[in-house]
Amino acid sequence: VQLQESGPRLVKSSQTLSLTCTVSGDSFSVGDSYWSWIRQPRGKGLEWIGHISYSGSSYYNPSLKSRVTMSVDTSKIQFFLQLSSVSAADTAVYYCAREVVARGGMDVWGQGTTVTVSS
Amino acid sequence: EIVLTQSPGTLSLSSGGRVSLSCRASQSVSGNYLAWYQHKPGQAPRLLIFGASSRATGIPDRFSGTGSGTDFTLTISRLEPEDLAVYYCQQYSRSPYTFGQGTKLEIK
Repeated sequence: VQLQESGPRLVKSSQTLSLTCTVSGDSFSVGDSYWSWIRQPRGKGLEWIGHISYSGSSYYNPSLKSRVTMSVDTSKIQFFLQLSSVSAADTAVYYCAREVVARGGMDVWGQGTTVTVSS
Repeated sequence: EIVLTQSPGTLSLSSGGRVSLSCRASQSVSGNYLAWYQHKPGQAPRLLIFGASSRATGIPDRFSGTGSGTDFTLTISRLEPEDLAVYYCQQYSRSPYTFGQGTKLEIK
């Protein structure tokens, strides 16, 4: 399975960041996986944003919960991240990743997309 | 949330050597639900270890994970130049999932 992030690379401050993660190469296993979003600001460590299941069950990091929405389109095998009211602090490389529930750990990652928030 | 503290922050070692990286949790990681990742510049992180000690698919046996409760270790044997990377631990026993701050490994 491969993952590919896509979406605008530049977002204006106070607007909404929207990213898509497209899954390819394998069937979208029902109930087998969680689909996570992780980000890394330049020069900093990894931050888990949250995850969503095939059925749409989601959990968001409390630090971002008020601004995050995740969703899934099973027909297109895509899942989505929206982050509202962005600021410069949201400038980062954004990754999507798969976590196989029965095993744990995120074993497949997209290559990441850099999103810059401009004023 | 569970805070993970990695040490040391940076290591510089010679090829062929052996290194142990530490990850300590602020509270017990139940089920040993702890993973290790290798992150090279410009690439996506790569899963090395899950469940504290199980190697992910395709990971050479030079990489091994041990530990339980609050103390975990990633050991890399027979260091190679390609092991240059930042290594992160991550817990998935309790949401929100959290990562350590990373250990940067430099190869002399």
